[in-house]
Amino acid sequence: DAKTTQPTSMDCAEGRAANLPCNHSTISGNEYVYWYRQIHSQGPQYIIHGLKNNETNEMASLIITEDRKSSTLILPHATLRDTAVYYCIVRVRDDYKLSFGAGTTVTVRA
Amino acid sequence: NAGVMQNPRHLVRRRGQEARLRCSPMKGHSHVYWYRQLPEEGLKFMVYLQKENIIDESGMPKERFSAEFPKEGPSILRIQQVVRGDSAAYFCASSEGGRRDTQYFGPGTRLTVL
Repeated sequence: DAKTTQPTSMDCAEGRAANLPCNHSTISGNEYVYWYRQIHSQGPQYIIHGLKNNETNEMASLIITEDRKSSTLILPHATLRDTAVYYCIVRVRDDYKLSFGAGTTVTVRA
Repeated sequence: NAGVMQNPRHLVRRRGQEARLRCSPMKGHSHVYWYRQLPEEGLKFMVYLQKENIIDESGMPKERFSAEFPKEGPSILRIQQVVRGDSAAYFCASSEGGRRDTQYFGPGTRLTVL
């Protein structure tokens, strides 16, 4: 029961912004959008999350459309170390069982 | 400001032996979650524990697997009589205030069963 749809892979140029899309057309009002990434078999790293407002932290920005059916994670200045699998996860706040799909494999190229 | 710590990072066992995986949560966190990642698959939830309590073990195989989080010391995931199918990466996550809070993951333990 995939709640999110992400592209399988994408390439980005080093130093440019990387825009990672995620579709979650069946999201309900009490579900948050979370982003994690996993760098080459390391543990997943939390990036950012949001409910309906756009969010920004030191790592990334999260843009959620007004209808909440899709979102975009923005890495403002991609570096080679940002090469990873990025997971978009929809989560009811009380649901502690994070569901990791296939994610998007992002390759940052020099 | 140490993050979630797991040890060992790599563990090799022969079929039939026991595997013990340890997880120390982030400072101030009292909620621990274990996930398993089989080769070429996504992470799957196994169990959720608070200090001295198992809250939800619905993702854990009924036999040979057990988990604990004692009052003192790390959380332990124990696999008895390991089989080749148990070979996987096991990740622990912790959160501060419980089910609503963000989970932060450790580096994982890679178990190889020969």
